[in-house]
Amino acid sequence: SAVISQKPSRDICQRGTSLTIQCQVDSQVTMMFWYRQQPGQSLTLIATANQGSEATYESGFVIDKFPISRPNLTFSTLTVSNMSPEDSSIYLCSVAQVGGSGELFFGEGSRLTVL
Amino acid sequence: KQEVTQIPAALSVPEGENLVLNCSFTDSAIYNLQWFRQDPGKGLTSLLLIQSSQREQTSGRLNASLDKSSGRSTLYIAASQPGDSATYLCAAYTGGFKTIFGAGTRLFVKA
Repeated sequence: SAVISQKPSRDICQRGTSLTIQCQVDSQVTMMFWYRQQPGQSLTLIATANQGSEATYESGFVIDKFPISRPNLTFSTLTVSNMSPEDSSIYLCSVAQVGGSGELFFGEGSRLTVL
Repeated sequence: KQEVTQIPAALSVPEGENLVLNCSFTDSAIYNLQWFRQDPGKGLTSLLLIQSSQREQTSGRLNASLDKSSGRSTLYIAASQPGDSATYLCAAYTGGFKTIFGAGTRLFVKA
């Protein structure tokens, strides 16, 4: 298994600002993902963070709004840009290992409230 | 397109009761099915992973089964405790690193 740390755990932000969420894993992992969980909803995949290259975004999510970096195999960041109240969600970092069991592991999540 | 459904959406039981949570998926071509627990406002904790070739997995008081042909998985919790109160999510991995999540079952175990 992998231990995943996310920062911040929660934040309250003003409309129009941007916030960067960090995800640190205690071991090298092949795949890192960012999910969003809106209030009362299930998880939606935002993008797959690719080491050293642009992230792969899912339909409905764009790089200008959710820029992602992954400089190495243990670290990634997600920025939520120009926030609006609709961005209030829990943002979750997840990892999996290519060639492994396929099991997904999650961080504690970052709970964002946009006023 | 894979869809994952969980029934019931919410469940309240007295402490000590055995219970079953249901998960159904529309496309049987899955690689694995994973059950998670989520406490309010928190991340997901992996409970059990069942590979497509397996029928069930057990961990302590938890037992998860998988029937690909019928598109169903169940999570059985024995002798429920108040500490089991949480939302339980199932997720089907369909390949290409695409995992589809159900909406979850909110469980409340009354002391």
